[in-house]
Amino acid sequence: DARVTQTPRHKVTEMGQEVTMRCQPILGHNTVFWYRQTMMQGLELLAYFRNRAPLDDSGMPKDRFSAEMPDATLATLKIQPSEPRDSAVYFCASGLTRGALGLFFGEGSRLTVL
Amino acid sequence: KQEVTQIPAALSVPEGENLVLNCSFTDSAIYNLQWFRQDPGKGLTSLLLIQSSQREQTSGRLNASLDKSSGRSTLYIAASQPGDSATYLCAVRLGTQGGSEKLVFGKGTKLTVNP
Repeated sequence: DARVTQTPRHKVTEMGQEVTMRCQPILGHNTVFWYRQTMMQGLELLAYFRNRAPLDDSGMPKDRFSAEMPDATLATLKIQPSEPRDSAVYFCASGLTRGALGLFFGEGSRLTVL
Repeated sequence: KQEVTQIPAALSVPEGENLVLNCSFTDSAIYNLQWFRQDPGKGLTSLLLIQSSQREQTSGRLNASLDKSSGRSTLYIAASQPGDSATYLCAVRLGTQGGSEKLVFGKGTKLTVNP
């Protein structure tokens, strides 16, 4: 059963600490997305990659967030330094360009910054 | 800028009732529209995807329709069950040629089906 895998599932950290979230997309998928979900804003796109190349990261605060795909099986989202307003659930999703099945989401990483 | 709205934000119905969830979007230049289900503390599960050239899609008790010209989609759930209780989100994929793969989400409708 192919699925998107995210780690960690939960993270509690203190303000100013570095946080790294990891995602393993479904094998063979060539697009990877990072979304953030909060009660107030809903789901917001932070960044996305096609064939490992970053295509759009306009939704990310550039001074503290960075997203990379070191290889086709791993995507990372890093926050440094973290702030309380970064507390949210971060979702990774993968899919195929022009795919007929749409996007597949991971279970999310719930981040709490104290 | 594409905006997606879902009304109502919450809906409570008795078991067995047929119901309709609404989704509207401001820019009709979409590639497709996707309905998702999200259970508490979980990720999103894709329910139905409608391409821009299609009018509706069906899966079991679910039927989704799309009217691009009016910027509307509906998700019809027949004979609702308590297990259908979840938040339902719709999302539109931007771009008429599929070049942009961004999804813009509504904030969801939280559905409660009471036994």
